[in-house]
Amino acid sequence: ELKVEQNPLFLSMQEGKNYTIYCNYSTTSDRLYWYRQDPGKSLESLFVLLSNGAVKQEGRLMASLDTKARLSTLHITAAVHDLSATYFCAGNNAGGTSYGKLTFGQGTILTVHP
Amino acid sequence: EAQVTQNPRYLITVTGKKLTVTCSQNMNHEYMSWYRQDPGLGLRQIYYSMNVEVTDKGDVPEGYKVSRKEKRNFPLILESPSPNQTSLYFCASSFTFNQPQHFGDGTRLSIL
Repeated sequence: ELKVEQNPLFLSMQEGKNYTIYCNYSTTSDRLYWYRQDPGKSLESLFVLLSNGAVKQEGRLMASLDTKARLSTLHITAAVHDLSATYFCAGNNAGGTSYGKLTFGQGTILTVHP
Repeated sequence: EAQVTQNPRYLITVTGKKLTVTCSQNMNHEYMSWYRQDPGLGLRQIYYSMNVEVTDKGDVPEGYKVSRKEKRNFPLILESPSPNQTSLYFCASSFTFNQPQHFGDGTRLSIL
């Protein structure tokens, strides 16, 4: 059974600083997804990473996938207040029969302050 | 406008009274999925569908049923709701499993 762990779970950042959120998973996963959720709102898809070494960037966010290390990272560059949200990663169990099943990490609550 | 529509948005009901939460998408997406979100437990997948007539269990399917008779609709059925199914539910869809998902606005269910 796939387990997905994020760290840190809480992240308080100063504006302008850089930081990384880590997403570790326990078994082979060949799809890794990142989502954002603002308080009281629905989820928004950020990135879909489909292969080892995949890197995707959108604005101040960059996501990467290392399937050998079973690790994905979400890097935040020069944080701004608008990035304050909860970020989730999710993966599938590539070795299982339920290919479309997704397991989520616990979420990282990011707060960016002046 | 491309969207995933869930109904109802809010529902308070009683134990044992069957209910259906509807989910409809207008983007011709193949993949659809239901999630529940609970404080301290995060997001958990209930059921998903890779295409019409193809459904499979997620991590927490007990107490739920789904059907996918047509591409646009993926209703979530609680045959005999219990208080532990009180939660915030999200429906999502994507062209395929490899694509970013679009989420509905959520349905907050309270089972008394």
